[in-house]
Amino acid sequence: NAGVTQTPKFQVLKTGQSMTLQCAQDMNHNSMYWYRQDPGMGLRLIYYSASEGTTDKGEVPNGYNVSRLNKREFSLRLESAAPSQTSVYFCASSGERQGVYEQYFGPGTRLTVT
Amino acid sequence: GIQVEQSPPDLILQEGANSTLRCNFSDSVNNLQWFHQNPWGQLINLFYIPSGTKQNGRLSATTVATERYSLLYISSSQTTDSGVYFCAVRAGYGNKLVFGAGTILRVKS
Repeated sequence: NAGVTQTPKFQVLKTGQSMTLQCAQDMNHNSMYWYRQDPGMGLRLIYYSASEGTTDKGEVPNGYNVSRLNKREFSLRLESAAPSQTSVYFCASSGERQGVYEQYFGPGTRLTVT
Repeated sequence: GIQVEQSPPDLILQEGANSTLRCNFSDSVNNLQWFHQNPWGQLINLFYIPSGTKQNGRLSATTVATERYSLLYISSSQTTDSGVYFCAVRAGYGNKLVFGAGTILRVKS
């Protein structure tokens, strides 16, 4: 049981390049999330998917797109990377179990845009 | 939207000391989680505690939902407790979490 996995772990992009961050979970959770964490700050929600087939914007969605490929996988795409998108990106998932909706996080992707 | 404030922002402890971290939130919540982000950046679930008190080893947490705060107690601190402690609360549809800015804890040997 791997929990939440993310690829890649590290990435360096040039301004204007595109890339997709991959996330998968094996806990049969309905909901999945993408957050970013900037130095000295808490996590901010970029996009989330409450269930397979649905996606919604979070607090900081500009410059990003997402795809909920199936129940297990939720990807985040940067179409034209900008230096302001340098950050650590975390994927998370949550599901109900005996009335508890606990959220679990992946290991993160450290992205640098030059 | 809901606001989450954590205090203190920074804390330095000598190994073996006890500490209390506080999380205040601006509205009613039905989910509250405490996380520890270790020096390698990994987010570790500590407690799911929308109300009441829980204990896990040297750590315990109490949430008083009616007064809109939660406390995380760390007893007999160890250097491995160092890192950032985040409080996060659930707001609305889809179990979205809103995070506080965190408390940076440094435990010195």
